[in-house]
Amino acid sequence: DTAVSQTPKYLVTQMGNDKSIKCEQNLGHDTMYWYKQDSKKFLKIMFSYNNKELIINETVPNRFSPKSPDKAHLNLHINSLELGDSAVYFCASSFDNNSGNTIYFGEGSWLTVV
Amino acid sequence: AQSVTQLGSHVSVSEGALVLLRCNYSSSVPPYLFWYVQYPNQGLQLLLKYTSAATLVKGINGFEAEFKKSETSFHLTKPSAHMRDAAEYFCAVRGTSYGKLTFGQGTILTVHP
Repeated sequence: DTAVSQTPKYLVTQMGNDKSIKCEQNLGHDTMYWYKQDSKKFLKIMFSYNNKELIINETVPNRFSPKSPDKAHLNLHINSLELGDSAVYFCASSFDNNSGNTIYFGEGSWLTVV
Repeated sequence: AQSVTQLGSHVSVSEGALVLLRCNYSSSVPPYLFWYVQYPNQGLQLLLKYTSAATLVKGINGFEAEFKKSETSFHLTKPSAHMRDAAEYFCAVRGTSYGKLTFGQGTILTVHP
């Protein structure tokens, strides 16, 4: 069973379009994250939700809007896509009662904006 | 605030040789440290983590890492490299609950026959 699953895995779209990436975890975790991996493989957190409440919101353009309908889901909607949005987006989850808890990552969604 | 520096963006070893991937951290609070591995076109998989218990941590696939507070280091080692170890390895640090996991820039490990 996949612990953290995200769809789609690959997405090619044109500039200006709006797209969403969905994420679901079946681990019972209370915290979910979105990370972005750029073309140089650098990983940086974008958002974090704990029990559906936004906890971390890094300096991300407001074209990116996360939505958490429940603890098991955290979707990422991107408006007016730009070339620079091309990256791999990773969803992740963890229990957040201890900083030593493992953060589990999904397989990634490869977004290409043309 | 915390940060991680991985020394060496590329490391190349022969099969059977020692693997040493370097990681130094900076943290204003006692750190929790992690090593993740990423195989081509795949997600991140946890190799091991340090959570203030034993300073020598054993992980999956024969990897281990030693937390050295005096050197602010958490280097990853494996006594004998295998071809299947070829991947990119990320060191990461986390300071507090609800805190973000901060990653290093990654080290690509190449294993030669």
